[in-house]
Amino acid sequence: GENVEQHPSTLSVQEGDSAVIKCTYSDSASNYFPWYKQELGKGPQLIIDIRSNVGEKKDQRIAVTLNKTAKHFSLHITETQPEDSAVYFCAASLGASGSARQLTFGSGTQLTVLP
Amino acid sequence: DGGITQSPKYLFRKEGQNVTLSCEQNLNHDAMYWYRQDPGQGLRLIYYSQIVNDFQKGDIAEGYSVSREKKESFPLTVTSAQKNPTAFYLCASSIGASRGAGELFFGEGSRLTVL
Repeated sequence: GENVEQHPSTLSVQEGDSAVIKCTYSDSASNYFPWYKQELGKGPQLIIDIRSNVGEKKDQRIAVTLNKTAKHFSLHITETQPEDSAVYFCAASLGASGSARQLTFGSGTQLTVLP
Repeated sequence: DGGITQSPKYLFRKEGQNVTLSCEQNLNHDAMYWYRQDPGQGLRLIYYSQIVNDFQKGDIAEGYSVSREKKESFPLTVTSAQKNPTAFYLCASSIGASRGAGELFFGEGSRLTVL
């Protein structure tokens, strides 16, 4: 089955700096890669996703890059703000339609943005 | 407001007791899921249901049971057979695997502690 590794487990940055979280996956057939943000005491929420036919995707201060050859993908947050502090999970899916049943999650990164 | 409601938020149980966690959604989603979250680990799938009156085991189903009698409801029972039940439990829904599920919508979770 799929194995997703996520690094680092904790990350502290100064407000205004950039943050990068990296994930690797094992199954080259995986073709859908979402990122979820979990604020304290709440459930995770999708913030951005990318499919295997795209190398990069941006949404305001958030971007995700995918390297299919190396089987890794990364989340980039620029101009970090205190409200970016949360746990971030990457995931990979084998399903052609991005089926949630086939999602494998990384272990999470606790991001802390220091004022 | 549309969303997923989990109850109770906190639950304490004595060893040997069964406990049922509630999950209700008003998003009109076909698919529903239960995940378990432990510190430093990703989300692990317990059970999922793609349609009413049907459900399938996920990766860690032992010691758990579910039912899906209504589209809106997907309760999870943690039985006494579950060896290590203390965890944070998350319920989620998605439009449906057959329509390219992609995004999961999560509830705010239920924290179960076995005394």
